[in-house]
Amino acid sequence: EAGVAQSPRYKIIEKRQSVAFWCNPISGHATLYWYQQILGQGPKLLIQFQNNGVVDDSQLPKDRFSAERLKGVDSTLKIQPAKLEDSAVYLCASSSGTSGYETYEQYFGPGTRLTVT
Amino acid sequence: AQTVTQSQPEMSVQEAETVTLSCTYDTSESDYYLFWYKQPPSRQMILVIRQEAYKQQNATENRFSVNFQKAAKSFSLKISDSQLGDAAMYFCAYRDRIQGAQKLVFGQGTRLTINP
Repeated sequence: EAGVAQSPRYKIIEKRQSVAFWCNPISGHATLYWYQQILGQGPKLLIQFQNNGVVDDSQLPKDRFSAERLKGVDSTLKIQPAKLEDSAVYLCASSSGTSGYETYEQYFGPGTRLTVT
Repeated sequence: AQTVTQSQPEMSVQEAETVTLSCTYDTSESDYYLFWYKQPPSRQMILVIRQEAYKQQNATENRFSVNFQKAAKSFSLKISDSQLGDAAMYFCAYRDRIQGAQKLVFGQGTRLTINP
């Protein structure tokens, strides 16, 4: 079974530029998550999709970050314009579960390391 | 809001010995899940072990076991017979067991070094 795919793996941009990340979850997984992991910290959820609807985007800086999930499968996360503090690893994860009562695992991709200069 | 705290930024252990990583959490919920995730230098996060709060028995997975103390809101990970491949960042994480959103709340992580 193929894992969660992300691209690009690395990206360097200047502040005020825009950038987009792509994620392809495990086939059949209904729920997709984007986490931001700043160096030295644990991942923090930015947005969660269930199929193609947003379940939780309470910690997404909506003035500069946007995300969509196309046809309930692939997802893109965009930052426009980028700030220095956006330098982080952006992790995508997916799971088959759709309810908190279910016991399921979140599978993580390799991440995209973003450096904003 | 739920919080997870890992008070040991770094730990080291001799190969083949046992090490325990600490984690405390804060929640007002009575039903939830706790996890330990491993993140090797390649950065792909992998689930190590899971504990359901409604289960009194501590979870075990081969060389990995947990000490779950619900009243104390403590969830430590014990790694027995440490191997070089265990070197990684370890994250403790929490998830509510409720209908709806199921995000993971992570601690800050503990970097584990295995000395040969």
